[in-house]
Amino acid sequence: DAKTTQPNSMESNEEEPVHLPCNHSTISGTDYIHWYRQLPSQGPEYVIHGLTSNVNNRMASLAIAEDRKSSTLILHRATLRDAAVYYCILRASNFGNEKLTFGTGTRLTIIP
Amino acid sequence: SAVISQKPSRDICQRGTSLTIQCQVDSQVTMMFWYRQQPGQSLTLIATANQGSEATYESGFVIDKFPISRPNLTFSTLTVSNMSPEDSSIYLCSVQGLAKNIQYFGAGTRLSVL
Repeated sequence: DAKTTQPNSMESNEEEPVHLPCNHSTISGTDYIHWYRQLPSQGPEYVIHGLTSNVNNRMASLAIAEDRKSSTLILHRATLRDAAVYYCILRASNFGNEKLTFGTGTRLTIIP
Repeated sequence: SAVISQKPSRDICQRGTSLTIQCQVDSQVTMMFWYRQQPGQSLTLIATANQGSEATYESGFVIDKFPISRPNLTFSTLTVSNMSPEDSSIYLCSVQGLAKNIQYFGAGTRLSVL
């Protein structure tokens, strides 16, 4: 399985944008980039995913490098509720049958 | 989206006993998964629960230790057998939604083994 590398932790001030990086230098052409987050005492929740083009949804934006070897999850205006562990995961296809393999993720702390 | 209920939410068990965790989904789903999250660690997939057939286990996990049932498309159970303190973890049920590129997770069962 292609692996991802994320910083162990990051801090950000409330109401400021947050850029969470992810490196995936061994990504294959059919791997989708997925982001999940795990709030304290909860199961993970889906954030966003993409293949090549940048993606936006109500939660976040995903910026994918042109060579696809890295990506950045962007929270446009962080709130205290965004404090969580964020996981960047490569998934082999968009058909959904492939399992999610979680790495160590980035623990995001939001400073009031 | 899919709403997942797990029971129990937490339990404290004695060494050598077994605990069965239930996972109920509010809609029919094709894929159900069981994960383990050890203290301070990330999630590890235990197995894929298959409806009408034996579960598919990941490397390092065996049926005798973690028997799984899936009698229908909305329900599954995971049993943690002959428990030891090393089994103290959070166990999470997950399902693949209708939008097949999204997985939904339950809140988990926090298990402590004394």
